[in-house]
Amino acid sequence: QKEVEQNSGPLSVPEGAIASLNCTYGDRGSQSFFWYRQYSGKSPELIMSIYSNGDKEDGRFTAQLNKASQYVSLLIRDSQPSDSATYLCAVLFGNEKLTFGTGTRLTIIP
Amino acid sequence: KAGVTQTPRYLIKTRGQQVTLSCSPISGHRSVSWYQQTPGQGLQFLFEYFSETQRNKGNFPGRFSGRQFSNSRSEMNVSTLELGDSALYLCASSSRQGSGANVLTFGAGSRLTVL
Repeated sequence: QKEVEQNSGPLSVPEGAIASLNCTYGDRGSQSFFWYRQYSGKSPELIMSIYSNGDKEDGRFTAQLNKASQYVSLLIRDSQPSDSATYLCAVLFGNEKLTFGTGTRLTIIP
Repeated sequence: KAGVTQTPRYLIKTRGQQVTLSCSPISGHRSVSWYQQTPGQGLQFLFEYFSETQRNKGNFPGRFSGRQFSNSRSEMNVSTLELGDSALYLCASSSRQGSGANVLTFGAGSRLTVL
């Protein structure tokens, strides 16, 4: 299995709906997980970090982690056109190298 | 608090030339990581420097090298440029200690075009 896998999309979601972004990773020993957002022509910026199993909420964003299934997701509630971007999942592996997935391109349709 | 500063922002080189990119991290951050971003491969890890020592290295040929200075500023060098080296080179800094130790803050990037 690739180290960090994401569906490349594009994922299209109507404005106001929930956008669900998924990521799987290959190292069971990973402890730190991050979601970054990258607008076209810009550099990635951190949205959420999560370290324990379960859900972590920050405003309209919820990160979900399931270490047994090696799965991390990001939910965006009440999606806005400004949420249209590429979302990058990143996992800190045992050798402390932060590895990124190839990203999911999200488009919010007004 | 100033962010991560990368220079130059854009540059054009020809095959066979070499290039040096510079990165100044957030004040107080001792770790600098470099990534190559291309449309097909996404963000690929090049290397990380911490307190002037290379801490981690990705799977890139020896043409790609880097270093870090005592003030935590970092440079990366690519020698004998190839067409495939055309990419956005992103630098990111982190504290590697305390709260948010492994959170990366990225610079705006250096876009390299090799002709």
